[in-house]
Amino acid sequence: GQNIDQPTEMTATEGAIVQINCTYQTSGFNGLFWYQQHAGEAPTFLSYNVLDGLEEKGRFSSFLSRSKGYSYLLLKELQMKDSASYLCASLDGNYQLIWGAGTKLIIKP
Amino acid sequence: NAGVTQTPKFRVLKTGQSMTLLCAQDMNHEYMYWYRQDPGMGLRLIHYSVGEGTTAKGEVPDGYNVSRLKKQNFLLGLESAAPSQTSVYFCASRSPEEVQPQHFGDGTRLSIL
Repeated sequence: GQNIDQPTEMTATEGAIVQINCTYQTSGFNGLFWYQQHAGEAPTFLSYNVLDGLEEKGRFSSFLSRSKGYSYLLLKELQMKDSASYLCASLDGNYQLIWGAGTKLIIKP
Repeated sequence: NAGVTQTPKFRVLKTGQSMTLLCAQDMNHEYMYWYRQDPGMGLRLIHYSVGEGTTAKGEVPDGYNVSRLKKQNFLLGLESAAPSQTSVYFCASRSPEEVQPQHFGDGTRLSIL
């Protein structure tokens, strides 16, 4: 079966760094997406990885290891506005997105 | 630039009632999707469409029907609502290039009593 695992909730301090992990098992693989979703709002696209390695976009970076079925989202210089859920989604062999349940990130002052 | 617009935003139904959720996009996207999002679970695909006049079943299609009569609109119907269909429904669209991100509407919060 297809499965995406990520932690349910994480807590971090404003100004710090946090890493949100995601492991995936899908039938075929065409890349890994990360989305941000603030409470009561729609998911918004953050990053896409299809090759192994780290992709950096400002304060956010995303890493992929295809051999390990593993990705992480790294958030630096945390701000209060980063409090949100972070959704990991794998694009399977049929180009359908398989979604994780999301990680709720709580930022404390 | 509206993007993806869902109507209504909120609705309360009684068991057995029917209703239609409307999704409209102004980005000329070929692909459109309907998801439901429940607490503690990932987004689950209900139905999707790869172009005007075509629809396909997703992971959880039972109890729902869809239509894509116009490219910009994707309708989700509940013929006989059940409490298990209480959820937040999201519509999304994307261009047909294989790895483009999906763009989401703001969601419809539906409660079935």
